[in-house]
Amino acid sequence: AQKITQTQPGMFVQEKEAVTLDCTYDTSDPSYGLFWYKQPSSGEMIFLIYQGSYDQQNATEGRYSLNFQKARKSANLVISASQLGDSAMYFCAMREGTGNQFYFGTGTSLTVIP
Amino acid sequence: DSGVTQTPKHLITATGQRVTLRCSPRSGDLSVYWYQQSLDQGLQFLIQYYNGEERAKGNILERFSAQQFPDLHSELNLSSLELGDSALYFCASSPRGAVSYEQYFGPGTRLTVT
Repeated sequence: AQKITQTQPGMFVQEKEAVTLDCTYDTSDPSYGLFWYKQPSSGEMIFLIYQGSYDQQNATEGRYSLNFQKARKSANLVISASQLGDSAMYFCAMREGTGNQFYFGTGTSLTVIP
Repeated sequence: DSGVTQTPKHLITATGQRVTLRCSPRSGDLSVYWYQQSLDQGLQFLIQYYNGEERAKGNILERFSAQQFPDLHSELNLSSLELGDSALYFCASSPRGAVSYEQYFGPGTRLTVT
């Protein structure tokens, strides 16, 4: 089974609107971390936000928030007030407590429309 | 700037050749990861080293090898290159330990095999 699943290959959002990028994960480890990365067309991978499996509250970083639903094993990224510069690939990733390896999803391409 | 450096930034070579990609992790990070990202595939995990030892292996071809040196820099060796090896190769580093430690990515090496 895939450790990280991102089912939306491409998404479009109007500028200034909010958008949710889906991510589901699979692990039996009670301790894990979930991450989102942004990859603009320039190619670099930029860390956005982190959520720990034991965190009681959803993580937020500026316009980014993570909608963490543990029972459903989902960790969706919400971007509020989208900007043109948000157009990029977005990757969801997981790190399990028992290992050191990171697992990445296939990514979602987000396009912000003016 | 993530603190992870990769050289060279671009590399153009011919089929059948051998190349070496170099990575220096962030100061203090003991883990180094290598990823391959091609147009038709997402981020493919290749291999992970921790403090000089191989810790995890992903979809790494037998023509590829890597090592991590005592000063913690790492090299990825790609031999008998094929057209399909053209891709962006990322190195990332992370501290070992807590699941909250994200990976820090280098800027990548873009390999073009002609």
